[in-house]
Amino acid sequence: QLQLQESGPGLVKPSETLSLTCTVSGGSITSSDYYWGWIRQPPGKGLEWIGNIYYSGSTYYNPSLESRVTMTVDTSKNQFSLKLRSVTAADTAVYYCARDYRGGDYWGQGTLVTVSS
Amino acid sequence: EIVLTQSPPTLSLSPGERATLSCRASQNIRDYLAWYQQKPGQAPRLLMFDASNRATGIPARFSGSGSGTDFTLTISSLEPEDFAVYYCQQRSNWPRLTFGGGTKVEIK
Repeated sequence: QLQLQESGPGLVKPSETLSLTCTVSGGSITSSDYYWGWIRQPPGKGLEWIGNIYYSGSTYYNPSLESRVTMTVDTSKNQFSLKLRSVTAADTAVYYCARDYRGGDYWGQGTLVTVSS
Repeated sequence: EIVLTQSPPTLSLSPGERATLSCRASQNIRDYLAWYQQKPGQAPRLLMFDASNRATGIPARFSGSGSGTDFTLTISSLEPEDFAVYYCQQRSNWPRLTFGGGTKVEIK
């Protein structure tokens, strides 16, 4: 059974960089069928797609976040990562990682990241 | 950017009733639409892909229809566990994606 698990700091200061990693277990991140993505959800609000990455390193970002986002993949560790620069309080959210194939069919449990000094 | 508009924002129904949720796209997305269910404190769960195909393990009371710009998710007879928030997601320019704003199905 495929499992995804987000990890990273739960508190980030304004203007700093948010860094999260998603570890995939029970399957390979190098499968040619899938993209791997990040989605976030501010408290009490809806879902926002952040971006997708392929195991080769190809990336696709939400235009509204593209100037601040970088996603990378580490196939040796079966992980992919998110960096979001220059964060503000508006970036406070639950961050999910997910596998994308005809839809997000496997998701991590989500991790709350709060931006506050 | 493709914008998805979901309606109504909230649907108040009783168990056993039929739920009809709408998702409208700002441009033609053919049948490249997915639906998700999210319960409080949980990650979203994929219900439908390609507008009308149920994901693995999804009960038959869930059905999806539509193409182009207008889509519908129908729950034929609401079970207690179906009260949740539902999101649509366009996939026509995958792997670039967008979500709709959500419809909350609450107990009347």
